[in-house]
Amino acid sequence: QLQLQESGPGLVKPSETLSLTCTVSGGSISSGSYFWGWIRQPPGKGLEWIGTIYYGGSTYYNPSLKSRVTISVDTSKNQFSLKLSSVTAADTAVYYCARDQRDGFNSLFDYWGQGTLVTVSS
Amino acid sequence: SYVLTQPPSVSVAPGKTARITCGGNNIGSKSVHWYQQKPGQAPVLVIYYDSDRPSGIPERFSGSNSGNTATLTITRVEAGDEADYYCQVWDSSSDHLVFGGGTKLTVL
Repeated sequence: QLQLQESGPGLVKPSETLSLTCTVSGGSISSGSYFWGWIRQPPGKGLEWIGTIYYGGSTYYNPSLKSRVTISVDTSKNQFSLKLSSVTAADTAVYYCARDQRDGFNSLFDYWGQGTLVTVSS
Repeated sequence: SYVLTQPPSVSVAPGKTARITCGGNNIGSKSVHWYQQKPGQAPVLVIYYDSDRPSGIPERFSGSNSGNTATLTITRVEAGDEADYYCQVWDSSSDHLVFGGGTKLTVL
């Protein structure tokens, strides 16, 4: 059974960089059929797609966050990571990693991590 | 950018049928996916490609998509169906993934 687990600091100071890692177990991140994504959810609000990466390095980012986001993959550790720079209180959210079933015209998340709350505060 | 519109809330009595809509410009030309999220939990995929159900999802959950509206239908609603539901598409014209704003289903 595929499992994803987010890890990283739960508290980040304003203007600093938020860094999270998603560790995949029960399957290979290098599987050619899948992409890997990050989604966030501010407290009491809806889901927001952050971005998606293929193990080969291709990335897709939400245009509203693109200037601040970097998603990378480490196949040797079966992990992928998120960096979000210049954070403000508006970036406080539960951050989820998920497996993305993508083809040329569709994308959907079929496996999700449990999520991790990141609070931006001094 | 592509926008998906959901009603903020839907209420239904136990045993009745709930319908949650997701509106978007010509959404019928896209594949719509639906997620259920219960409080404090990660979302769960309940419908994909408009009307397919992942294994383990009850047959009471079904979906349809035509014109400018996609619909998630839950028949014989149970208390355990109370949750937030989100629709989602991939906008291939801009290579962006879009979620609807979510609908809170309340079982009366």
